[in-house]
Amino acid sequence: GNSVTQMEGPVTLSEEAFLTINCTYTATGYPSLFWYVQYPGEGLQLLLKATKADDKGSNKGFEATYRKETTSFHLEKGSVQVSDSAVYFCALYTGFQKLVFGTGTRLLVSP
Amino acid sequence: GAGVSQSPRYKVAKRGQDVALRCDPISGHVSLFWYQQALGQGPEFLTYFQNEAQLDKSGLPSDRFFAERPEGSVSTLKIQRTQQEDSAVYLCASSLVPGIGETQYFGPGTRLLVL
Repeated sequence: GNSVTQMEGPVTLSEEAFLTINCTYTATGYPSLFWYVQYPGEGLQLLLKATKADDKGSNKGFEATYRKETTSFHLEKGSVQVSDSAVYFCALYTGFQKLVFGTGTRLLVSP
Repeated sequence: GAGVSQSPRYKVAKRGQDVALRCDPISGHVSLFWYQQALGQGPEFLTYFQNEAQLDKSGLPSDRFFAERPEGSVSTLKIQRTQQEDSAVYLCASSLVPGIGETQYFGPGTRLLVL
């Protein structure tokens, strides 16, 4: 079946540190891949997406590359800010009209 | 409105009560989804509508859960005879059209606590 595996959190970083949150997936066919972010007290927001292999999604300094050979979609940011503290969800969409989410990774950034 | 709205934002119910959760999708969005998010977990799919047609209800956990979207816009998720295990955040999402690359836009959720 379709599934997403994310690294366990929380990830604790100091401001301006480099961020990587790992995401791997199992899917039939050719899924689209997404990163959603949930800030405290707010709903899920789309951060970035990639719809085919080797595509790179990017937004707000975050990047992720769709790697079919390693079935991965790792989220990276070169220099995190305190305001990036949130829960990050990796998700896939296979065309059966539903998103399949990972369990989420909490990021805590300290000044 | 500009985004997906949900009401109420918080609901406390006694075990055995019926509850109704409302979702107002983005105007003109064809697809509407309901997800359930347990504490510390990712959202899990419940059901999907394309306009007024409920095309997939495979994620509904039991026959106590019922969803409708009679006019193809507002949707209601109803839970009958609530149980403690129903406590979760219920998320609604909409997308403009069905499609593998289409972005789903989420509402703030309704946090349900069953005592």
